[in-house]
Amino acid sequence: AQTIHQWPVAEIKAVGSPLSLGCTIKGKSSPNLYWYWQATGGTLQQLFYSITVGQVESVVQLNLSASRPKDDQFILSTEKLLLSHSGFYLCASRDWGVEQYFGPGTRLTVL
Amino acid sequence: GDSVTQTEGPVTVSESESLIINCTYSATSIAYPNLFWYVRYPGEGLQLLLKVITAGQKGSSRGFEATYNKETTSFHLQKASVQESDSAVYYCALSNSGGSNAKLTFGKGTKLSVKS
Repeated sequence: AQTIHQWPVAEIKAVGSPLSLGCTIKGKSSPNLYWYWQATGGTLQQLFYSITVGQVESVVQLNLSASRPKDDQFILSTEKLLLSHSGFYLCASRDWGVEQYFGPGTRLTVL
Repeated sequence: GDSVTQTEGPVTVSESESLIINCTYSATSIAYPNLFWYVRYPGEGLQLLLKVITAGQKGSSRGFEATYNKETTSFHLQKASVQESDSAVYYCALSNSGGSNAKLTFGKGTKLSVKS
């Protein structure tokens, strides 16, 4: 069974500071990977997806970027945080089925 | 675009009572989307509760069931007798594709509290 680890668990950052969130998948090779975001009181929405190392597609423009440096790793980052970036970030993985499996998430507060 | 609307919470029911959480969807990118219910228990991550990928079929798990109704574009979640351990946030979702670029579109979530 695959396991998804996300780091950090929670982060408090200042507006204008950089950010890097990570996600590691174990137990599945070459998974499709996804980043989702939920603003407080909002709806979970997909931000990026990746089907292979080095390839990332953006779904929603939020002044964030994503990279997949290794088969089992997915990184979400920005050089300058905005207040609107606050929320809950989830990494998801998909293998042969249609369902996606989610990590525990990272809670980001931007002040 | 695609959208999912579900019962606005919070919902409070007593133990052993029946439950229904309504979910309707609008899919503009695909005729017959895949449908899911996800659940987040307190202190835990988002996990798949059940899925149905064929219109007209029913999915079930942990005593919950949901039927994919393409006529009414609905996927209501039901349970005959809830337990305190069912207290959680429930999310209805649809997938616009079976391919690698599949995007899950979620409802806002329904927080369920079960009183003992």
